[in-house]
Amino acid sequence: DAGVTQSPTHLIKTRGQQVTLRCSPKSGHDTVSWYQQALGQGPQFIFQYYEEEERQRGNFPDRFSGHQFPNYSSELNVNALLLGDSALYLCASSWDRGQRPLHFGNGTRLTVT
Amino acid sequence: EDQVTQSPEALRLQEGESSSLNCSYTVSGLRGLFWYRQDPGKGPEFLFTLYSAGEEKEKERLKATLTKKESFLHITAPKPEDSATYLCAVRGYNAGNMLTFGGGTRLMVKP
Repeated sequence: DAGVTQSPTHLIKTRGQQVTLRCSPKSGHDTVSWYQQALGQGPQFIFQYYEEEERQRGNFPDRFSGHQFPNYSSELNVNALLLGDSALYLCASSWDRGQRPLHFGNGTRLTVT
Repeated sequence: EDQVTQSPEALRLQEGESSSLNCSYTVSGLRGLFWYRQDPGKGPEFLFTLYSAGEEKEKERLKATLTKKESFLHITAPKPEDSATYLCAVRGYNAGNMLTFGGGTRLMVKP
């Protein structure tokens, strides 16, 4: 039973560029959440998707956007990259709209130069 | 706004030397407190959920406890493989399904 899978594992981008990160949830899960984890800090909530709609959003600018597909997989898009966007981006899946404990993927390490 | 503070930031133990990690929280109304373990370069791995004061959960050498203001993760006779960052997170009534994480405690257990 595959857990949460994310791609790519590492990515290097230049300031001002755009990036798309991908996530496949754990089998049986229908809710996907995205978190940003800066080096040495705890994860911060970006947003949550359920039934292909953004259901909740954290304190992130609208440069951060997402999408959920009918098969429950999800994408995170970041436009106009800033140096401060360098972080580990974690995808977490769950069912029951996130009431249950989240299961995390191993993340995408994004470096913005 | 929900807040979580973990202490210490880093902890070095000798193998077999028991200790506790602290997670202090303020939340509008607790819907769950979660402990995760995170190894370098990996995503957080779920350990425990606690819902009400007085609740305790155990798994191997780890035991999590909860009061109205804080949670403790007790590590009994740790081994080098317990070395990791331990993250605490809360879900509050006014926060929807969002988790608010603390900064974590980096634990190193030396043989």
